[in-house]
Amino acid sequence: AQKITQTQPGMFVQEKEAVTLDCTYDTSDQSYGLFWYKQPSSGEMIFLIYQGSYDEQNATEGRYSLNFQKARKSANLVISASQLGDSAMYFCAMREGRYNFNKFYFGSGTKLNVKP
Amino acid sequence: EADIYQTPRYLVIGTGKKITLECSQTMGHDKMYWYQQDPGMELHLIHYSYGVNSTEKGDLSSESTVSRIRTEHFPLTLESARPSHTSQYLCASSEYDRGPAETQYFGPGTRLLVL
Repeated sequence: AQKITQTQPGMFVQEKEAVTLDCTYDTSDQSYGLFWYKQPSSGEMIFLIYQGSYDEQNATEGRYSLNFQKARKSANLVISASQLGDSAMYFCAMREGRYNFNKFYFGSGTKLNVKP
Repeated sequence: EADIYQTPRYLVIGTGKKITLECSQTMGHDKMYWYQQDPGMELHLIHYSYGVNSTEKGDLSSESTVSRIRTEHFPLTLESARPSHTSQYLCASSEYDRGPAETQYFGPGTRLLVL
């Protein structure tokens, strides 16, 4: 089974609007971390936001927030007030458990296009 | 802010050549990784290291090799490049023993084209 599922290969959003990028995950661990990365066309992977499984509050970083619904195993990224520079691939990722050899799992990504 | 560097950023090379992709980080991270990624596609882990003299193969079989002689340096070598090696290679590092909060920080990537 896929550990991380991103069901939206591509999304369009109008500049200044908010957009939600979906991510669901699969784990039996109680302790895990969820991450979102942005990859512009230049290729680098930029860390955006982190949510721990025990965090009661949704994580926020500037215009990024993570809508964490533990029971549904979803960790959607919300970008408020979209900007043209937000156009990029976005990857959801998860790290399970407490052990140092636990892997990082990445989703297949969502390509976001922000229209002027 | 992450301080992880990759050189070269772009490389065009002929089949059969030996190449080394460099990756260095100044954060003192023990763990380092190499991923292979085709444009717009998901990342595939090809190698990782827990520290000096530790290297492991990742999920995706790769003809490349790695070494970890110094904490800050994790080069990847292809002994004989082939067109099937054309891809983007991303290096990452993370801090040891952070549990689920362990964040991977990435370098800018190397885009390799083998003719």
